[in-house]
Amino acid sequence: DADVTQTPRNRITKTGKRIMLECSQTKGHDRMYWYRQDPGLGLRLIYYSFDVKDINKGEISDGYSVSRQAQAKFSLSLESAIPNQTALYFCATSDLKGGPDDGELFFGEGSRLTVL
Amino acid sequence: DAKTTQPTSMDCAEGRAANLPCNHSTISGNEYVYWYRQIHSQGPQYIIHGLKNNETNEMASLIITEDRKSSTLILPHATLRDTAVYYCIVNTGTASKLTFGTGTRLQVTL
Repeated sequence: DADVTQTPRNRITKTGKRIMLECSQTKGHDRMYWYRQDPGLGLRLIYYSFDVKDINKGEISDGYSVSRQAQAKFSLSLESAIPNQTALYFCATSDLKGGPDDGELFFGEGSRLTVL
Repeated sequence: DAKTTQPTSMDCAEGRAANLPCNHSTISGNEYVYWYRQIHSQGPQYIIHGLKNNETNEMASLIITEDRKSSTLILPHATLRDTAVYYCIVNTGTASKLTFGTGTRLQVTL
């Protein structure tokens, strides 16, 4: 089983619908992240969480919200989906050891979201 | 974080060494060079990182120039499964500030 699991892997929805993407991890890491990737582009950080009580906005948080239900679970919500939120979404985790290894992210397999 | 410059794409014959360059002329003394790759539309995968010494692991080698303004990721015997987008990132080790640009698309061919 994957260490970082995302559900659903694929979702097609309509404009205005509420969508939740879920992420769970078995790595025991405190830090979790949500990224989006548009075709031909790099990844952009949406939100990140350093622990259950610590949520931070990333580069492109508008239109998104998150919930850290437990150390192992981090959900991304689109309250009212719009077509330009069509993208590939990735969840990631990282450890905190206080050195350069903290720059190692562990990614899930991605959730492909299409908003019609 | 310092910006990086990578070629848009490269080709490599299977079995040969793939040498992927990265320029990071504005790198700071406390910034590391990280390499990740993304196979098709899978989640990116960490490969290696280094500060100033050359590094090697089971996946690749990282060669950093003495002035640290550029580096090269070496896949010693490329296989078709190494076809991917390779990202060079300069960072202090703060995962929340890793910036994934467009990377280098490596195509390994028979």
